[in-house]
Amino acid sequence: EDQVTQSPEALRLQEGESSSLNCSYTVSGLRGLFWYRQDPGKGPEFLFTLYSAGEEKEKERLKATLTKKESFLHITAPKPEDSATYLCAVRSLSTGANNLFFGTGTRLTVIP
Amino acid sequence: ETGVTQTPRHLVMGMTNKKSLKCEQHLGHNAMYWYKQSAKKPLELMFVYNFKEQTENNSVPSRFSPECPNSSHLFLHLHTLQPEDSALYLCASSHVGETRNTEAFFGQGTRLTVV
Repeated sequence: EDQVTQSPEALRLQEGESSSLNCSYTVSGLRGLFWYRQDPGKGPEFLFTLYSAGEEKEKERLKATLTKKESFLHITAPKPEDSATYLCAVRSLSTGANNLFFGTGTRLTVIP
Repeated sequence: ETGVTQTPRHLVMGMTNKKSLKCEQHLGHNAMYWYKQSAKKPLELMFVYNFKEQTENNSVPSRFSPECPNSSHLFLHLHTLQPEDSALYLCASSHVGETRNTEAFFGQGTRLTVV
């Protein structure tokens, strides 16, 4: 059975304090790992898709990496506006072509 | 308008009411989805429509009834709901290709409260 586990559940950082969020997964036949950002009361906003181990993607202060067992979302010198819940999701042979299997997210708070 | 638009943004309904949630996508995608997001739980896929045909129904109670009249519009009809159905209901769309499917783009959601 597919599993997606995100850690930590919550993270508080000082502005400028870099850190990483973790997404560990166990799936049969990964067909994509997705990172989303979700602000309170809003829908998830797409950030990155990673397809194969060793792949990396960057966008402003965020960088996503992928290994065969986990993905990291690195946040460099975060700002208060980076505060949000970050969701990880996988698509696999088990989930099928149309389904994304989500983790419970990491709630990030960046303090000025 | 661009992206995925959901209406209403907030809905309060009694257990005997009938209401509908609406979703419209302006991205040219051919697949649309309904997800449920409850507090402290992962997003749960409810329904999938590919090319207007329902392809998945993840054991959702019959008090939730989807409708997809075309590839741009999706509805979720609600009747005789329970308080535990209170949640954020999210619509999403993606493009299903022959070799790869795109990421899903989400609407802003409808916050549903059942009283």
